[in-house]
Amino acid sequence: GQQLNQSPQSMFIQEGEDVSMNCTSSSIFNTWLWYKQDPGEGPVLLIALYKAGELTSNGRLTAQFGITRKDSFLNISASIPSDVGIYFCAGQLTGANSKLTFGKGITLSVRP
Amino acid sequence: NAGVMQNPRHLVRRRGQEARLRCSPMKGHSHVYWYRQLPEEGLKFMVYLQKENIIDESGMPKERFSAEFPKEGPSILRIQQVVRGDSAAYFCASSNREGLGNEQYFGPGTRLTVT
Repeated sequence: GQQLNQSPQSMFIQEGEDVSMNCTSSSIFNTWLWYKQDPGEGPVLLIALYKAGELTSNGRLTAQFGITRKDSFLNISASIPSDVGIYFCAGQLTGANSKLTFGKGITLSVRP
Repeated sequence: NAGVMQNPRHLVRRRGQEARLRCSPMKGHSHVYWYRQLPEEGLKFMVYLQKENIIDESGMPKERFSAEFPKEGPSILRIQQVVRGDSAAYFCASSNREGLGNEQYFGPGTRLTVT
């Protein structure tokens, strides 16, 4: 099936630093969403993107929908300890009848 | 403003038993999706339902798995004759519209362990 690629699997940053995460695909997606998952919980929607080139912010988070529609990135600025978690990108393919395709996620660790 | 609710949060079943997982969507949402997550993996789509209809079950195993979303009550994901490979976290998501651009909100999941 279709895959969204997220790498590296883990990232380690210092509190206060900015971090950027990428998500790529060989297929065109028409919607990109970024979720955060804490241990033992369900994914929480952070940002949704609907148009190629769109740049959207949610507090310290900024995400962009790539021009080619095959990638997206998420930036977290001035990281804090509660940013720790797994960040997933998810996309909807053209004609995919609403289902989401997920990347494998990036585990973010923030050192105080 | 209740979010998506799932129960039970944890379920332990012996091989061969049945597992029933329940999902109540957010208020006002009539679209329900089920996903499965294995350790260290992303979520994999299983089935998409609207009230009383299965819209897309392309991610659902052909045998032992079934899903429903009745007119009244929660959506149910049913796994018959469970095997060890069914052990996973099962998440339900809901949205208030269909097609591209819908935002899906997830419940806390049911962690199924098959012994």
